Amino acid sequence: KQEVTQIPAALSVPEGENLVLNCSFTDSAIYNLQWFRQDPGKGLTSLLLIQSSQREQTSGRLNASLDKSSGRSTLYIAASQPGDSATYLCAVSDASKIIFGSGTRLSIRP
Amino acid sequence: DTAVSQTPKYLVTQMGNDKSIKCEQNLGHDTMYWYKQDSKKFLKIMFSYNNKELIINETVPNRFSPKSPDKAHLNLHINSLELGDSAVYFCASSQSGSYGYTFGSGTRLTVV
Repeated sequence: KQEVTQIPAALSVPEGENLVLNCSFTDSAIYNLQWFRQDPGKGLTSLLLIQSSQREQTSGRLNASLDKSSGRSTLYIAASQPGDSATYLCAVSDASKIIFGSGTRLSIRP
Repeated sequence: DTAVSQTPKYLVTQMGNDKSIKCEQNLGHDTMYWYKQDSKKFLKIMFSYNNKELIINETVPNRFSPKSPDKAHLNLHINSLELGDSAVYFCASSQSGSYGYTFGSGTRLTVV
């Protein structure tokens, strides 16, 4: 049974710092891995999608990596801004569904 | 031009009532899902439909009944609402899971 773990559960850093969020999964037989952002009381915004054959994806200040063999992914955020404060969710998909981690609550201090 | 839209956004109702949440996607995806986000913010799948056929039915009380009239719609009907049903319910869609999932903005259900 696939399990997705995100560490740390919460992270607070000063503005301008680079940071890394971690995600691990137990079953490497995945279709793809997706990082989402969720603001308080809001829906899910897809940030990056990495297909199982890919190693990384980049969008602006965000870079996500995938190491399927070790069951790990990282989300790198460069030059963090207060507007980056949100909960970041890692999710892996198999043939039938997407399975979420419990998220990392990120706070960027001005 | 909303990709996955849910209505209503907020729903407050009394215990014992029956309520429905509607979901529509205009992405042409073949699979739709309902997810529940509990008070601890954990997202868990409830149902999935592929081309109007039920594919996944996780451990969900029989009071929850999904209905898919066509490929673009997946509604969730809940009978005899209980306090524990209070949560945020998200609808999502994908093209057989291959190219990622798109989520609606959620329906916050509060049972009083």
